[in-house]
Amino acid sequence: NAGVTQTPKFQVLKTGQSMTLQCAQDMNHNSMYWYRQDPGMGLRLIYYSASEGTTDKGEVPNGYNVSRLNKREFSLRLESAAPSQTSVYFCASRRLAGGVNEQFFGPGTRLTVL
Amino acid sequence: RKEVEQDPGPFNVPEGATVAFNCTYSNSASQSFFWYRQDCRKEPKLLMSVYSSGNEDGRFTAQLNRASQYISLLIRDSKLSDSATYLCVVERDDQTGANNLFFGTGTRLTVIP
Repeated sequence: NAGVTQTPKFQVLKTGQSMTLQCAQDMNHNSMYWYRQDPGMGLRLIYYSASEGTTDKGEVPNGYNVSRLNKREFSLRLESAAPSQTSVYFCASRRLAGGVNEQFFGPGTRLTVL
Repeated sequence: RKEVEQDPGPFNVPEGATVAFNCTYSNSASQSFFWYRQDCRKEPKLLMSVYSSGNEDGRFTAQLNRASQYISLLIRDSKLSDSATYLCVVERDDQTGANNLFFGTGTRLTVIP
């Protein structure tokens, strides 16, 4: 099992450009998440999808859109990138077993917006 | 006020030392508690859950004090491989009613030979 995979690993954009970050999981999890991680701040939730066909805003959704394409895939789109979106983006999926909310993370995408 | 607060460190300790990390959370409605480990330039991974009664996993012991809204992690007999950032995490229902995780900024540990 690959777990949670993300593409690309690195990306440099110019202000105003758009791009989609891809995420896929092969663990048959229902819930998937997108976070960003910035220096001096904890991981912050951008959007999540509790199940296929549903998406909801997290703590910092402005400037982003998401698509839950199917149970495996959850993409994050930046329509018009801004320097404030320079960050490391992590996708995660959730296993709820025995009451433990364990989230499995992908390796991350390091995005720089110039 | 941040939802989850941790001392960012860094903590530099010799091999074999015992080191303790503390964390406080602001929302009394928080339901579950965890420690995640994040290696440099890697993704976070679950280290252990934290229960009110306290729990131990090998050299790692986690404690929760709900009254004080305080969580701790104790690492005994530190190994070089323990060098990482330790993230304190709480779970609660957010404004949409979903059960989500809230992360601290992490405490960085370096174990020195």
